[in-house]
Formats: sequence, C-alpha cells, structure tokens
Amino acid sequence: GENVEQHPSTLSVQEGDSAVIKCTYSDSASNYFPWYKQELGKRPQLIIDIRSNVGEKKDQRIAVTLNKTAKHFSLHITETQPEDSAVYFCAAGGNYQLIWGAGTKLIIKP
Amino acid sequence: ETGVTQTPRHLVMGMTNKKSLKCEQHLGHNAMYWYKQSAKKPLELMFVYSLEERVENNSVPSRFSPECPNSSHLFLHLHTLQPEDSALYLCASSQDGRGGATYEQYFGPGTRLTVT
Repeated sequence: GENVEQHPSTLSVQEGDSAVIKCTYSDSASNYFPWYKQELGKRPQLIIDIRSNVGEKKDQRIAVTLNKTAKHFSLHITETQPEDSAVYFCAAGGNYQLIWGAGTKLIIKP
Repeated sequence: ETGVTQTPRHLVMGMTNKKSLKCEQHLGHNAMYWYKQSAKKPLELMFVYSLEERVENNSVPSRFSPECPNSSHLFLHLHTLQPEDSALYLCASSQDGRGGATYEQYFGPGTRLTVT
C-alpha cells in the first residue's frame, strides 16, 4: 500500500541551530503535503503545508521544500527555540486521504 | 466551546463492554475524521465522513462502528475490543474536500482508550 517514510525518528539540536526533517512518499498522485506539530499531551496542529504546484514555502522560521520528481519533501526550522520541542508529523495525499509519517521527536538542547 | 471537542478524554473498558466516543466540531466544517494514534506509529485514518456520508473506510475491523448524524457530530461505537485497540483516538474536521481539494484538518484533544 501507499506509505510515507519520515526521518529521523529522533533529532536533537542545540538551541539556535537549524533542524531538518525529511519525508518520502510513494503515491505519485499526492498533491498536498502538510506538516503537523504535536506537543506532549496535546493535539496535532498544522504548522505549514505545501501543494504540488509549489516547490518551496516559508513562514518565518519554518520552511518546507517539495521535490515531486524525487517524491520527497522536507521541513526546515531555523534558529530553533525551546518551544520547538515536540513531535513533528509529515503527511502526503489529497481528497480526504492523508498518509502519515511515523513522526520525528525534536529535542532542543539548551 | 470552540474548535473540536471529544468526550470522554479517558476510557477504560473490558473486552466485552460496549462504549461510544463522541466528537463535536464548532468550526462549520463539512468533513470529519477518526484516527487511531499508537505509540511510535503513523497516524492511522479509520473513517472519513463528508456531508454526513462516509467516504473512506480503511479496512477497519467491524468492532469499530462510526456514526455521523450531522456535520457537527461524529461518534465511534466500540464493542468487543481487543487489548491491541488501546490507543489515542483522535477526531478531526476540515472543509469539505469534494473535487479533489484538500484542506487543513483540525484535531480534537483525543480519547485515551485502554482495553483490559
């Protein structure tokens, strides 16, 4: 079946450094690629998304890049802060059906 | 209440019990979703309703039975569950995606289910 692979499963970075999380998807029909952040004990919340007609999107310290040919997309967080500590999920799909990655636990070291 | 709410927040049930999870959205959305979240596994989409019609059913065992009486409410009826069904069950809603568009999903806080 269709799947989304997400790496790494855990990422530890020094506060102020950048963090990059990568996802690869299998369904070439996917046209929507959101990233969600889930803090401990809280619900997942959308932080940024990108559609297949766009290669890059940026929102302050967060950016997402998409390579449709290679079927992979990445989340970039610059100048990381303690409040960035959470689990990040990528997803790929369209028309109701989103396939999710297994998540990346991001740890920001002081 | 605003956003997406779920009740109960925690549920412990035996394998022979029958219980229901409730989800309510106050966002004016037309699509609602049930997800299962297990530790260190991807979110698993269970059911999708759009305009109260089920549009996705991802091979979920029949011991899980969804119900969507209107666009604001979604239920998940549970019976004769197994211990491996223990997980966080998340409800979400979004704008209707008919025609191929996909919109942001807003999640509820989840119901932590333990099957003993």
